[in-house]
Amino acid sequence: DAGVTQSPTHLIKTRGQQVTLRCSPKSGHDTVSWYQQALGQGPQFIFQYYEEEERQRGNFPDRFSGHQFPNYSSELNVNALLLGDSALYLCASSFMGSANSPLHFGNGTRLTVT
Amino acid sequence: AQSVTQLDSHVSVSEGTPVLLRCNYSSSYSPSLFWYVQHPNKGLQLLLKYTSAATLVKGINGFEAEFKKSETSFHLTKPSAHMSDAAEYFCVVRANSGGYQKVTFGIGTKLQVIP
Repeated sequence: DAGVTQSPTHLIKTRGQQVTLRCSPKSGHDTVSWYQQALGQGPQFIFQYYEEEERQRGNFPDRFSGHQFPNYSSELNVNALLLGDSALYLCASSFMGSANSPLHFGNGTRLTVT
Repeated sequence: AQSVTQLDSHVSVSEGTPVLLRCNYSSSYSPSLFWYVQHPNKGLQLLLKYTSAATLVKGINGFEAEFKKSETSFHLTKPSAHMSDAAEYFCVVRANSGGYQKVTFGIGTKLQVIP
């Protein structure tokens, strides 16, 4: 049973460019959340997708957008990249129907903006 | 409202001695509580979870945590630290309400294990 998979594992982009990160949730999970983790910091919630809709959003600008597909996989898009967007981006999946369902995390995508 | 307070940003123990990582929480709902561990440049791995069953929860790698409702605490312990336990640990609270998952992370505790 595959867990949460994220691609790519590493990415280097230039300021002003756009990036797309991808996430496949754990089998049986229907909810995907994205987090940004800067070096030495805890994960910061970006947004959550359920039933192909953005359900919640953290304190991130509109440059950060996402999508969830019918197979529950998800994409995170970041436009007009800034140096400060350099971070580890974590995807977490869970099952909305169970309050006891923990978040399962992928290994993340390390984004470096130069 | 929901919040998580990890009382120590850094904890240092000698190998073979007990580990205590402290976590207090508040939530307007009946939350589930989790501890995650993160090794450098890795994702977060679930150590254990409390979901309103037994208050003493056993997790992986010899860790356990006790849920104390009266103290709103969920401290993580291990009887004997191993070098491989050196990592960052996050206490997480989750509550479901009206089709929304509210997930709150603590700031993390870096555990250093001294040989």
